[in-house]
Amino acid sequence: DTAVSQTPKYLVTQMGNDKSIKCEQNLGHDTMYWYKQDSKKFLKIMFSYNNKELIINETVPNRFSPKSPDKAHLNLHINSLELGDSAVYFCASSQDLGQGNSEQFFGPGTRLTVL
Amino acid sequence: AQSVAQPEDQVNVAEGNPLTVKCTYSVSGNPYLFWYVQYPNRGLQFLLKYITGDNLVKGSYGFEAEFNKSQTSFHLKKPSALVSDSALYFCAVRDSATDKLIFGTGTRLQVFP
Repeated sequence: DTAVSQTPKYLVTQMGNDKSIKCEQNLGHDTMYWYKQDSKKFLKIMFSYNNKELIINETVPNRFSPKSPDKAHLNLHINSLELGDSAVYFCASSQDLGQGNSEQFFGPGTRLTVL
Repeated sequence: AQSVAQPEDQVNVAEGNPLTVKCTYSVSGNPYLFWYVQYPNRGLQFLLKYITGDNLVKGSYGFEAEFNKSQTSFHLKKPSALVSDSALYFCAVRDSATDKLIFGTGTRLQVFP
């Protein structure tokens, strides 16, 4: 069984388009995250949600909008895609928030290429 | 601000030899430290963590890490490397103020047969 799944795995699109990436976790975790990994493999958090509530909102362009319909899902919608948005986007989940001692479980990633 | 540093972009080791991947940290307060591994075209996998207690932490796939408060280090080690250990390794620290996980820049481990 896949613990954290993302769709699609690959996404190739033109500049200016709007696209969404979906994430689901079946671990019963309360907290979910979106990370961006650039071409140099540098990994940075974008957002986190705890039980559908936005907790962390890093300084990302407001073209990026996360949505959590329930605590098992966290989707990422990107408007007006730009070349610099090309990266691998990872979803993750963890059991708690605030205690800081739980490991995160990562999805397989979505490779976004903007042409 | 909390941070971690991985001073080596790449570590090369022969199969069967011990390996060390270095990580140093800078935090205010008690550090929560983690190691993750990323295989090609895959997501990150948790290896081990230090929260409190014994300075030597054992994790998955035979890896261990030693927490050294005086040197502010949390190096990842394995007594005998396998070719299949070749991957990208990330050290991370939990920022207690923001609850964010701050990742290092990653170290690519290459184990040669």
